[in-house]
Amino acid sequence: QKEVEQNSGPLSVPEGAIASLNCTYSDRGSQSFFWYRQYSGKSPELIMFIYSNGDKEDGRFTAQLNKASQYVSLLIRDSQPSDSATYLCAVKLRPGNTPLVFGKGTRLSVIA
Amino acid sequence: DGGITQSPKYLFRKEGQNVTLSCEQNLNHDAMYWYRQDPGQGLRLIYYSQIVNDFQKGDIAEGYSVSREKKESFPLTVTSAQKNPTAFYLCASRRLGTGQETQYFGPGTRLLVL
Repeated sequence: QKEVEQNSGPLSVPEGAIASLNCTYSDRGSQSFFWYRQYSGKSPELIMFIYSNGDKEDGRFTAQLNKASQYVSLLIRDSQPSDSATYLCAVKLRPGNTPLVFGKGTRLSVIA
Repeated sequence: DGGITQSPKYLFRKEGQNVTLSCEQNLNHDAMYWYRQDPGQGLRLIYYSQIVNDFQKGDIAEGYSVSREKKESFPLTVTSAQKNPTAFYLCASRRLGTGQETQYFGPGTRLLVL
């Protein structure tokens, strides 16, 4: 099993719909979880981080973490064409000052 | 202005040439990282450093070298031993040991082989 897995997509949703992006990870002891957005040709930018089980909301974005099932998801409400990008999931899999492990990303396309 | 800067934005390498990519941060972050991204691919870790004068190999260190003489700076040299260097190179940094482990990226350097 790969350490951090994401469906590569593309995930296509109509404008105004909810986009749901999922990420699974291999280590049950993982502690920190991050979502980045990367536009084509640009560097990743942080959208959200979550450390505890449950939901965390920030504007149109909600991160959901389920440590028992080892998955973290990102919901984007009222999707806009400007949300079209690749979304990268990153996990701090191991304790201590270890590097984040990134998934390969899911490409989201919001259709106007 | 706080953040991470990378230069140049575009870099061209000739066969057999070593080139150095610059990464500077003024965030007072402890750790710095270099990633490589190929078209349509995820990020692959090349090298990272958690403290001045110390660094560790990532998943694809062969053909690359780094130094960390100052906390703010972490340059990456792509040596002639790296046979397929064309890629988008990303530098990142984060503060360690505070629980606030958010990692930020620089704008990237695109390396092309002539």
